[in-house]
Amino acid sequence: DGGITQSPKYLFRKEGQNVTLSCEQNLNHDAMYWYRQDPGQGLRLIYYSQIVNDFQKGDIAEGYSVSREKKESFPLTVTSAQKNPTAFYLCASSSGQGGQPQHFGDGTRLSIL
Amino acid sequence: KNQVEQSPQSLIILEGKNCTLQCNYTVSPFSNLRWYKQDTGRGPVSLTIMTFSENTKSNGRYTATLDADTKQSSLHITASQLSDSASYICVVSAGGAGSYQLTFGKGTKLSVIP
Repeated sequence: DGGITQSPKYLFRKEGQNVTLSCEQNLNHDAMYWYRQDPGQGLRLIYYSQIVNDFQKGDIAEGYSVSREKKESFPLTVTSAQKNPTAFYLCASSSGQGGQPQHFGDGTRLSIL
Repeated sequence: KNQVEQSPQSLIILEGKNCTLQCNYTVSPFSNLRWYKQDTGRGPVSLTIMTFSENTKSNGRYTATLDADTKQSSLHITASQLSDSASYICVVSAGGAGSYQLTFGKGTKLSVIP
């Protein structure tokens, strides 16, 4: 079955540490997205990519970085500059080079040790 | 500022009963409105998507309505089941195709009890 796989399901970060969240899709979608979800808040866009080797900042990109070397993969790095990284991170994808997320992964929950 | 307000914040209903969730928005220019269902600890799943010209759209026991004049949408769930327990998120898109200007509501948490 086609879909989006996020790993790990749970992740813990130590002070000053960078961590990378994995997102892989086999839907052959061009566009991929990263969102952050906090309790009681709507999803917020971190980064998005319309095509391989290209990506744009979303509303809350500070403290995060991404890469898009392959169509199937869009990893997110939470750097030590992100002072409040505890959240539920969702990866999504859509067909075409633009548009809205059609499919979401099942998320990675990041916590601080 | 684009905003999406959902009500109620949470809702508890008995299995088999119907319920209606509300979404009011102030997004301009309006492109489309989508309802998602998000189970606890999972990613959102799209239920319906509605454009300006659509008033009603159904997906099984889920029926979404849109009033573009009053900028209101509702999601009606018929004959609720325990598996309907989830958060329901309203998302409004501004601009045309290819626009990333999405505004997410905070969601309504629905609990269906036996």
